[in-house]
Amino acid sequence: RKEVEQDPGPFNVPEGATVAFNCTYSNSASQSFFWYRQDCRKEPKLLMSVYSSGNEDGRFTAQLNRASQYISLLIRDSKLSDSATYLCVVNIGAGGTSYGKLTFGQGTILTVHP
Amino acid sequence: NAGVTQTPKFQVLKTGQSMTLQCAQDMNHNSMYWYRQDPGMGLRLIYYSASEGTTDKGEVPNGYNVSRLNKREFSLRLESAAPSQTSVYFCASSTLGGNTEAFFGQGTRLTVV
Repeated sequence: RKEVEQDPGPFNVPEGATVAFNCTYSNSASQSFFWYRQDCRKEPKLLMSVYSSGNEDGRFTAQLNRASQYISLLIRDSKLSDSATYLCVVNIGAGGTSYGKLTFGQGTILTVHP
Repeated sequence: NAGVTQTPKFQVLKTGQSMTLQCAQDMNHNSMYWYRQDPGMGLRLIYYSASEGTTDKGEVPNGYNVSRLNKREFSLRLESAAPSQTSVYFCASSTLGGNTEAFFGQGTRLTVV
């Protein structure tokens, strides 16, 4: 079983739609969680961190459920510019702040059309 | 603001040739990473270095070696390239062992023929 799993999609939605992505992780020792965005043939860039209480950044809302080992990303009012691959990322730490390894899901492809 | 710089950006190798991918960061980060990305596979961790002087294997280390030359530089070496190593390689760095944002280089597109 992969340590971080995502539904690869693709998700094809009209402008203005609300879309949700899910991610599960297998290691309960995971310490920190992120969503990254990757545009075609570019490097991944941080979209947002995911906090235990849930957090929002404009049209984007991230949720974490530690008990179920589940992370989600909700995009409201989708824009054409949201078309990209969304990567769920988990820091599977060795404990404390000593070190950890960033592990990526396989990514979810989103296409927003007019 | 250079951030994370990878060289080269493109490379074609013949099977059995060797090469080193270079990575340098100017953000004073402790942790550095090498990933490969293949279609439908996401980014898979090859090796990482939590701090200067330490390196650890990731998910797919076979066929690769790494050197953390100093705090700034982390190189990836292919001793005898194979077609299965055709991929896009990304270097990344972060503070605090990955508990904060990781910054990526622009990637190296490697083809092994």
